This record gives sequence, structure tokens and C-alpha cells, in this order.
Amino acid sequence: RKEVEQDPGPFNVPEGATVAFNCTYSNSASQSFFWYRQDCRKEPKLLMSVYSSGNEDGRFTAQLNRASQYISLLIRDSKLSDSATYLCVVIMDSSYKLIFGSGTRLLVRP
Amino acid sequence: EAGVAQSPRYKIIEKRQSVAFWCNPISGHATLYWYQQILGQGPKLLIQFQNNGVVDDSQLPKDRFSAERLKGVDSTLKIQPAKLEDSAVYLCASSLLRTGGRDTQYFGPGTRLTVL
Repeated sequence: RKEVEQDPGPFNVPEGATVAFNCTYSNSASQSFFWYRQDCRKEPKLLMSVYSSGNEDGRFTAQLNRASQYISLLIRDSKLSDSATYLCVVIMDSSYKLIFGSGTRLLVRP
Repeated sequence: EAGVAQSPRYKIIEKRQSVAFWCNPISGHATLYWYQQILGQGPKLLIQFQNNGVVDDSQLPKDRFSAERLKGVDSTLKIQPAKLEDSAVYLCASSLLRTGGRDTQYFGPGTRLTVL
């Protein structure tokens, strides 16, 4: 079983739609969680951290479910510019090593 | 503020040849990372430096890969000899400190390596 698993997609949605991605992780002792965004042929960039209580940044909402070992990312009112690959990232232990999922590809169409 | 710099941006070599990549982190960042990203996968950590010391190289194929950060600033990653499966994007990242796990890593643009 992979340490971090994501649905590769692609998720193809119209502008204005709401879309959600899930990511599961295998190690129940995982400490920190993030979503990164990666545009085609570009480097990953931090989108947002994921906190236990859930957190929101504009149109983006991230949630953590420790009992079921998954995190989620919700994007409301999708924009064309949201088209990218969204990488789920987990820090497993005190090594602070980032473990990346393979990413979920989002395509927002006009 | 200047970001993480990497060179070259693209490299094409034949198998069994050698190749080296260079990275200059954001000024003042103590921690430097090299990742390998194969097409369709997420980045995989190869090696992590804290200043000029190695913190984690558990996933570095040491029979062919080497890396150094001699003065605790810029770093070089070398592959010798290259194999077809080394074709990937090599990403360098840096962070200010290695604290608490929430220290943001900033990535460079990467070097796209093609091994023929």
C-alpha cells in the first residue's frame, strides 16, 4: 500500500463548479498535512496547510479526518486558472520528510 | 526576493554517461532538498541537507547518485552512470529552518533529464 494515495483524475468540471479531492495516508502517526499545487511543467507550490479543525482560504477548504486517515480539498466556484495537479503531502514523523501523493489532475473548462 | 535557482533546465544524455545538476537555494535558507519526480508521480525525496550536513539520504541510490553542499549554500547532484529509469525532473527545494514540520519548502523550476 502506498504511503499517500490520491485519485489521479482527471476531474473535468465547468467553471463555477464545486469540486472535491480526497487523499488517504497509511501511517496513523502522521503529523502534518498539506496541499500543494503543480502547474504543467512547473514546480510544486504550497497551496495550504491542513489543520485538525479544518481551514479555509478563500474558495479553498481543507479538512483532516484522523479517524479515517484522509484529508480533503474542496474548491468552490472553480476558475479556469484552477486547472492544475493537486498534490497531497504528509509528514510522517519527526523526520520532517515530505511524502507526496501522485497528484490529482483538475481541468476546469469554460 | 530571489527564488531557488537551478541549472541546467534541460539535459539530454545517453545511458552510462554522467550528469550534474546545480542548485542555489534562497538566501539564508539552512535546509536544502533534492527530489526526483518521475512523470505521473509526486516528487520523491532523494537527499536533505541541513547547512552542509546530510540529514536524510535514505532514498538516494548511492551506487550512482551523489550530492554535496560543501559550503552550506549551493549544492550539486550527480548521476554516474545514468540509466534509462533516471529520466525525470530533478527538483531542488529549500526551507529556512528544519523546525516543527511546518517550515515551508520552496521549490526551484527543476532540471528535466532525459536519458536515451
